[in-house]
Amino acid sequence: EVQLVQSGAEVKKPGESLKISCMGSGYSFSSYWIGWVRQMPGKGLEWMGVIYPGDSDTRYSPSFQGQVTISADRSISTAYLQWSRLKASDTAMYYCVRQNTGSWDWFDPWGQGTLVTVSS
Amino acid sequence: SSELTQDPAVSVALGQTVRITCQGDSLRSYDASWYQQKPGQAPVLVFYGETSRPSGIPDRFSGSSSGNTASLTITGAQAEDEADYYCNSRDSSGNHWVFGGGTKLTVL
Repeated sequence: EVQLVQSGAEVKKPGESLKISCMGSGYSFSSYWIGWVRQMPGKGLEWMGVIYPGDSDTRYSPSFQGQVTISADRSISTAYLQWSRLKASDTAMYYCVRQNTGSWDWFDPWGQGTLVTVSS
Repeated sequence: SSELTQDPAVSVALGQTVRITCQGDSLRSYDASWYQQKPGQAPVLVFYGETSRPSGIPDRFSGSSSGNTASLTITGAQAEDEADYYCNSRDSSGNHWVFGGGTKLTVL
């Protein structure tokens, strides 16, 4: 079974750093892009960026460029999303998702989500 | 602001047909994919490309595209189809992806 398992919920203070993870299994992790998607409370889905673990090629949405860092360690089939200085506005659910590109683009499967709460 | 535009809310009577639309200039060049999200759950892929439905997705879900508009059609909507639906495609650069704002489907 192809699946992505994310790290657990986090509660942080503004200004703190954070790195959340997403481990893939059941497929060749290096051969598919892994994307990150934000969902703020009560709001829609926002594509943040994507990484290709095979060569670490990374692309960021202009809205998130410079705000977060996406990385991956293919040796342990894990992708990461990190912040150097969290803000209260980073409070959201974050999903990782396997992205297929080629004849058609699709996002599947999705991780279960990591809830990040930033509050003083 | 999203480069893909969806109606915020749509309703359908049980058993009837409903079409959820997604508009954007990039759809003239790139196909859309569609995601269903129920409260408290991660999104699920329900349709992509011109004719592709993932295994396990009922055949009442179908997709189409014309010009700058992509559509997801549910033929014979069921109570369990009540959810938020999001379209996704590449942006005009082709190097990034973007979601539509989402459509809340109510089954009456």
